[in-house]
Amino acid sequence: DAKTTQPNSMESNEEEPVHLPCNHSTISGTDYIHWYRQLPSQGPEYVIHGLTSNVNNRMASLAIAEDRKSSTLILHRATLRDAAVYYCILLIIQGAQKLVFGQGTRLTINP
Amino acid sequence: NAGVMQNPRHLVRRRGQEARLRCSPMKGHSHVYWYRQLPEEGLKFMVYLQKENIIDESGMPKERFSAEFPKEGPSILRIQQVVRGDSAAYFCASSPNRADTQYFGPGTRLTVL
Repeated sequence: DAKTTQPNSMESNEEEPVHLPCNHSTISGTDYIHWYRQLPSQGPEYVIHGLTSNVNNRMASLAIAEDRKSSTLILHRATLRDAAVYYCILLIIQGAQKLVFGQGTRLTINP
Repeated sequence: NAGVMQNPRHLVRRRGQEARLRCSPMKGHSHVYWYRQLPEEGLKFMVYLQKENIIDESGMPKERFSAEFPKEGPSILRIQQVVRGDSAAYFCASSPNRADTQYFGPGTRLTVL
């Protein structure tokens, strides 16, 4: 399974931007980059995904490096409700459709 | 459009009993995935089903676990003769097509006494 590397934890302050990095140096041309987050005692929540171009939606932005070996999830203005574990996952379009969850980044938001 | 629904949300069983976990996918979704999250661990894929077919069961334990997604009704994850190590949160996800984004339900928290 294609692997991703994320910092174990990050901390930020409320109403400030947060940049969550992810390295995926073994990514292949057809792998999609997906981000999910999991709030305490809840199921994973889809955040955003992309292939090559940067993506924006109402929750976040995804910046993908030109060589696709890394990406950054951007929360433009963090709130306390954004405190969660964030997972960066590669979805292999041609292979099995299972999501392979790593340890993710535990994001703490300070009021 | 209702999201993925799972029931029960909490299930308590004694060792040796059977556990049945149900998952109703989002409307229009015909692909269902089951994942398990052991305490303090990440989610692990168990099985991927499309209506009436098991597509990938590479993450299912070899014994006591089975899954189905009948033509009518919810997908069922069945655990026979539960043991304490089966205590975990079981999450179901669904997608409209094979390569689409998966949307997760709230999970069933199984406790085996």
